[in-house]
Formats: sequence, C-alpha cells, structure tokens
Amino acid sequence: QVTLKESGPGILQPSHTLSLTCSFSGFSLSTYGMGVSWIRQPSGKGLEWLASIWWNGNTYNNPSLKSRLTVSKDTSNNQAFLKVTSVDTADTATYYCAHTGLTGFDYWGQGVMVTVSS
Amino acid sequence: ETVMTQSPTSMSTSIGERVTLNCKASQSVGINVDWYQQTPGQSPKLLIYGASNRHTGVPDRFTGSGFGRDFTLTISNMEAEDLAVYYCLQYGSIPPWTFGGGTKLELK
Repeated sequence: QVTLKESGPGILQPSHTLSLTCSFSGFSLSTYGMGVSWIRQPSGKGLEWLASIWWNGNTYNNPSLKSRLTVSKDTSNNQAFLKVTSVDTADTATYYCAHTGLTGFDYWGQGVMVTVSS
Repeated sequence: ETVMTQSPTSMSTSIGERVTLNCKASQSVGINVDWYQQTPGQSPKLLIYGASNRHTGVPDRFTGSGFGRDFTLTISNMEAEDLAVYYCLQYGSIPPWTFGGGTKLELK
C-alpha cells in the first residue's frame, strides 16, 4: 500500500525559503521507474506541476519558477524534499507530493497548506 | 510549453446522465494524458492514464479516449459521488507537464 504525507512550516515570511518534506511508504525511490512529484494548488484554483525526482537522481523542474526550485531525496529514509527560495504571496498554496511512475501521479499525499505572509 | 484547455469549465448534470468532458492540447502530446478527479477538500485522484487506461479501482463508467491534441473523459452513468472537479494533465517528453484548468461538475 502506497502512502505519502507532506510536512512543512505552515506559514513563512516573504523572501524566505520554503522547505517541504514528503515521507512515504509502500515503494522505494531506489527502485527503477519510481519517482516523486510535487504539485501545488492555490486555494480555489487549479493544479500546477512543480518538479519531479526519479529513482536515478534525475530531476525535472517547472521552468516557470526559474531556478527557485530544488528537489532532492533521502532513499534510506523514504523521503523526498522540495525547497522553494525567495517565496512571495503567490507561493501561498496547498502543496502535494505524489508517487510518479509509468501510470502517472497515481498516489497523492493529503497536502500541506503553506501561507506566505509578513 | 503545452497548454491544456478544458471545456466546459463547469457543467450542470443529473444523476444517471452521460457526461462528456473535453481537453485540447496546444500541440500533439500523443497519448500522454491523464485525468484526475478532485472532490471538495480532498487530494486529486488518478482516474485515467495514457489517455484511455483506468487506474486500479476506477469504476468502468469512466472512459478516456483521444490522441494527439483532443482528449475526452466520459462518465457513462453519472453518480452523486462523481460530483467533483476534473483535470487533464499532459506529460509529454519534455517538461513542464501541464494541467488543464479543470471542469467542475454540479447538480442541476
């Protein structure tokens, strides 16, 4: 059974760095074909893919966020991480992590709300 | 970047009705399209991957079709639990992967 759970600061100030953790079970990020993706959703709005990291360490970021995104993983502890630098109010959203494989974003976490406010 | 345009943005339906949702890509994406369902307060759920393949446990009243630029999600016999927002996603070979703006299904 695949499960994922996001954790983060809840609220942070503009210009700071957002650090999120995705803790998962039921798969390994060292297994061929496995990946974890990050997607966000501002309240009442649509979904935006942010980044993905794969079993082999390859990463893909959404270029709309330029170089503000960093994804990484800790295979031993079944965790993936997302960092977003220089946040502003437009980064206020619910952030999801999702298991990613040959069949899309097939399992999602419950999401973590992040508010950027001074 | 490939833009995904969903239509309609909202739709009023009745229980038992057949519902067709559309998604159009700004360029060809082959069969690299998924459909997701999001009910209020919940995380999105994968319904269809690779344009036409149902994810594990998805009822067979959900059918996906399409290739290239035009894709369709059909709900053959609308149930109350299907009231939700539906999103298409394209995952072509080169990121960014992009979602459509969503279609909200409501009761008449």
